[in-house]
Amino acid sequence: ILNVEQSPQSLHVQEGDSTNFTCSFPSSNFYALHWYRWETAKSPEALFVMTLNGDEKKKGRISATLNTKEGYSYLYIKGSQPEDSATYLCAPKPYNQGGKLIFGQGTELSVKP
Amino acid sequence: GAVVSQHPSRVICKSGTSVKIECRSLDFQATTMFWYRQFPKQSLMLMATSNEGSKATYEQGVEKDKFLINHASLTLSTLTVTSAHPEDSSFYICSARDWADEKLFFGSGTQLSVL
Repeated sequence: ILNVEQSPQSLHVQEGDSTNFTCSFPSSNFYALHWYRWETAKSPEALFVMTLNGDEKKKGRISATLNTKEGYSYLYIKGSQPEDSATYLCAPKPYNQGGKLIFGQGTELSVKP
Repeated sequence: GAVVSQHPSRVICKSGTSVKIECRSLDFQATTMFWYRQFPKQSLMLMATSNEGSKATYEQGVEKDKFLINHASLTLSTLTVTSAHPEDSSFYICSARDWADEKLFFGSGTQLSVL
């Protein structure tokens, strides 16, 4: 079973700080890598789906990069705001897992005003 | 964006009873739905994949007779926890995907507590 690791497990930053976290997985062939944002008491929401090595996607102050050769993806948040507080989940979709996503444990981000 | 509605959000039941959880796609046709289980501080673990009109595919170690999944229409899937026991207490969440989109749309989850 593919082991997906996210680090750090939790992160506390001040409003305005920029931050980044990592999703690591054994480098292997896979269809895509997904990032989701999960606010407390709400549904996880898709942020990005990336498929190509070197992919870089951006949505407002949040961006993500993908390195398939070394097996990692970074998520960056520029100028964190309290509303960015959430758990960020990554999930690769390997070729040999029947099309399902394998979720990491998530990085819990708390942004203090 | 697409909306997935999951009910109930919380249920407390006695040991031995059955509990049904519904997952509905409100504004799109969900050709595939997924059911996950999450224990505290752990990742979402896929329990089963269901495609409309066919039997669900269960992950290794998930009892199909214990966790009955029905996906009778393109907008509704249900998970029934039969004869629930305290060890079934967990957070259950569904997600859906339509044929045109890679990303998943999630329900808000159900916290099941079995006494």
